Amino acid sequence: RKEVEQDPGPFNVPEGATVAFNCTYSNSASQSFFWYRQDCRKEPKLLMSVYSSGNEDGRFTAQLNRASQYISLLIRDSKLSDSATYLCVADNAGNMLTFGGGTRLMVKP
Amino acid sequence: GAVVSQHPSWVICKSGTSVKIECRSLDFQATTMFWYRQFPKQSLMLMATSNEGSKATYEQGVEKDKFLINHASLTLSTLTVTSAHPEDSSFYICSARDRDRGTGELFFGEGSRLTVL
Repeated sequence: RKEVEQDPGPFNVPEGATVAFNCTYSNSASQSFFWYRQDCRKEPKLLMSVYSSGNEDGRFTAQLNRASQYISLLIRDSKLSDSATYLCVADNAGNMLTFGGGTRLMVKP
Repeated sequence: GAVVSQHPSWVICKSGTSVKIECRSLDFQATTMFWYRQFPKQSLMLMATSNEGSKATYEQGVEKDKFLINHASLTLSTLTVTSAHPEDSSFYICSARDRDRGTGELFFGEGSRLTVL
């Protein structure tokens, strides 16, 4: 079993739709969590950190459920420019980041 | 913001040659840098953790004699793929944390796409 699991997708949604990605992690010692965005053939870039209380950044909302070892990312009012692969990341011991396989999002006109 | 520069961006080489990839933190110091490999349509896989002034820590299954890592200063780590073969063709990405920031954010280099003929 992978340490961080994500549905690979692709998720094909129309512009303006709301889409949610889920991620589960198996290491209960994981301390911090992040969502990264990776465009094709580019390096990953931090989208947002994930806090226990849930956090929002514009159209993006991230939530963490430690009891269920589950993380989510909600994107509202999808834009064409949101098309990318979204990587769920768990930070296990300060220096060890484990990446999920990524979820591919395609937003269509 | 913190910038990590990676060079070269693209490299094509013949089988059997060695290729060196550089990773530099341009505006911050990084005691630790990380090297990842990403095959097409797959996620990043951590290869090794590069520690300034000491030996790198390799992940299971990664040959340390094939993937030589040197972290000679707080701003530079190099990965050398020795005697490269076609199966080593991949996207290699480095990353680093700014030791003076407490956010935990990892900054990535632009990646180096290696093609071994």
